[in-house]
Amino acid sequence: EAQVTQNPRYLITVTGKKLTVTCSQNMNHEYMSWYRQDPGLGLRQIYYSMNVEVTDKGDVPEGYKVSRKEKRNFPLILESPSPNQTSLYFCASSSPFRGGNTEAFFGQGTRLTVV
Amino acid sequence: LAKTTQPISMDSYEGQEVNITCSHNNIATNDYITWYQQFPSQGPRFIIQGYKTKVTNEVASLFIPADRKSSTLSLPRVSLSDTAVYYCLVGENDYKLSFGAGTTVTVRA
Repeated sequence: EAQVTQNPRYLITVTGKKLTVTCSQNMNHEYMSWYRQDPGLGLRQIYYSMNVEVTDKGDVPEGYKVSRKEKRNFPLILESPSPNQTSLYFCASSSPFRGGNTEAFFGQGTRLTVV
Repeated sequence: LAKTTQPISMDSYEGQEVNITCSHNNIATNDYITWYQQFPSQGPRFIIQGYKTKVTNEVASLFIPADRKSSTLSLPRVSLSDTAVYYCLVGENDYKLSFGAGTTVTVRA
């Protein structure tokens, strides 16, 4: 079954304690992205990756890091989480958005609370 | 990317047809129109895409008039489980999908 798997689904942590949210896809997609969703602000892209070892900032990258060492995995790293990073996070994968392709596959989400 | 405008919310009852219209006056010649569905606390899910006229799949139909300045997503005979936020996206950026506020559809018994 084609899927994007995020872990953990829920996480409560304290300010400053480094954490990693994992994301894995089994569709051999080139593109992977991280979004955060906040009430009233919608879905905003944090980082994206066009392929292995190629990543770039999205709209709200401050406070986050990513890596793409393998095609299937795209972890999101919060080196020093702060309360304003409390949010619902989604990982997504897709083929390139061109030629009419706009289908992305999203993970189940990770609800992060930083206290 | 073309700017889209869609209603903030719509209410319906089980068994009714729900039509959500999205305006996209600045749609470019090569732009496709895509709709996503998002249930509470879940990731968005692609439901349908079209370029012109009508597209139908097992979930919904998408009607696009000749001028392509608007489109209508039609959900036939909705059930309680169709309660979700529906997003209209037009055009594409190579690396990002741009989701607006979407339309919250609430289906009541």
